[in-house]
Amino acid sequence: GAVVSQHPSRVICKSGTSVKIECRSLDFQATTMFWYRQFPKQSLMLMATSNEGSKATYEQGVEKDKFLINHASLTLSTLTVTSAHPEDSSFYICSAPRGPYSWGETQYFGPGTRLLVL
Amino acid sequence: EDKVVQSPLSLVVHEGDTVTLNCSYEVTNFRSLLWYKQEKKAPTFLFMLTSSGIEKKSGRLSSILDKKELSSILNITATQTGDSAIYLCAVENVGAQKLVFGQGTRLTINP
Repeated sequence: GAVVSQHPSRVICKSGTSVKIECRSLDFQATTMFWYRQFPKQSLMLMATSNEGSKATYEQGVEKDKFLINHASLTLSTLTVTSAHPEDSSFYICSAPRGPYSWGETQYFGPGTRLLVL
Repeated sequence: EDKVVQSPLSLVVHEGDTVTLNCSYEVTNFRSLLWYKQEKKAPTFLFMLTSSGIEKKSGRLSSILDKKELSSILNITATQTGDSAIYLCAVENVGAQKLVFGQGTRLTINP
């Protein structure tokens, strides 16, 4: 079964509003989670690394004031898209590594959240 | 800057054909290369490769890494319509502890 969940799976909002997306690790603790964005027919682009108990690390070109990340607990990270605009419409996926060593093989992806900003 | 390039970007074949997908990378402190299959939602893990020349196999899928050429291939034999998906290649970097993804190959299998 799923080990990482995301909520909501789909959201439609008006331009200018803020949207919060939750990512939860279901049966393990994740001190680190990753947030990706995927535009249609494109690959996953890492947006930021969410760190429990400290500030998130953002990739170059990603506005930290627009994409607020809060790693509230060892099983929950949230991504808030503030003042969303139509160009923010995308598929947002989180992932969490389960093991302490090889992060690749044990990286579990959430089912994704499809955001549509009107 | 770490970089992963996949080819082809798109491939359409008939059921029963064999396909080879390519992935090349430039990365510092290489740890592993991973292949994922993505249908409509989250990517699902296929293979992780760390050693050069050792083939990993799962049913009709197989993959191998060439560290000298900084590349990997993913083979799918006797393709089925259910193999239609985006195949993603990613590289894991020891230092950065994150995955860098390629653009993906969109594979379409026609009956």
